[in-house]
Amino acid sequence: EVHLVESGGDLVQPGGSLRLSCVASGFTFSSAWMNWVRQAPGRGLEWVANVNPDGSGKYYMDSVKGRFTISRDNDKNSVYLEMNSLRAEDTALYYCFSGVGHWGQGTLVSVSA
Amino acid sequence: QAVVTQEPSLTVSPGGTVTLTCGSSTGAVTSGHYPYWFQQKPGQAPTTLIHHVNNKYSWTPARFSGSLLGGKAALTLSGAQPEDEAEYYCLLVYNGVVVFGGGTKVTIL
Repeated sequence: EVHLVESGGDLVQPGGSLRLSCVASGFTFSSAWMNWVRQAPGRGLEWVANVNPDGSGKYYMDSVKGRFTISRDNDKNSVYLEMNSLRAEDTALYYCFSGVGHWGQGTLVSVSA
Repeated sequence: QAVVTQEPSLTVSPGGTVTLTCGSSTGAVTSGHYPYWFQQKPGQAPTTLIHHVNNKYSWTPARFSGSLLGGKAALTLSGAQPEDEAEYYCLLVYNGVVVFGGGTKVTIL
């Protein structure tokens, strides 16, 4: 059975930092593109970033370039999202999504003073 | 970044057929955009229905199908069931960059 479990979400002040983690099991993690997708309360899905299977290729949405960094550790079946200079508009439920179709349940990031 | 467009809402009768579309601001959607389709019900994480235009997963109900139609990606629901009432999102890939559509609220009525 496939599992994606996110963690690391928290309440943080504007300008603060967080590191999200997603641990995967039940599929060949090292062969899959991995994505972070977010959803603000009452809004649609918004792609944030992805990383290719060997970690050499990374892409970001425009509004997080220079602030967020995606990385992965295939030995630990994990993907990470380092988030710096957080803004109120980054407040959302952050999902881990594998390119082979699996989703986690999300971790909540709230940015507020 | 490109903009991906979906119908905001559609209504279908139980047992009926409805087609959702997914367009791109850059022109025609092709297989090179690797279209995906997702279903999301209130309070739940999304589930993936279709990948790479028309490929289903083991959990995808047979009544869902994907295609390219008139320069757009399309998701057709044939024989709608009450449990299909949900928000549906498409996704397109532009040279590694991913863009979601705004979602289509499907009502079964």
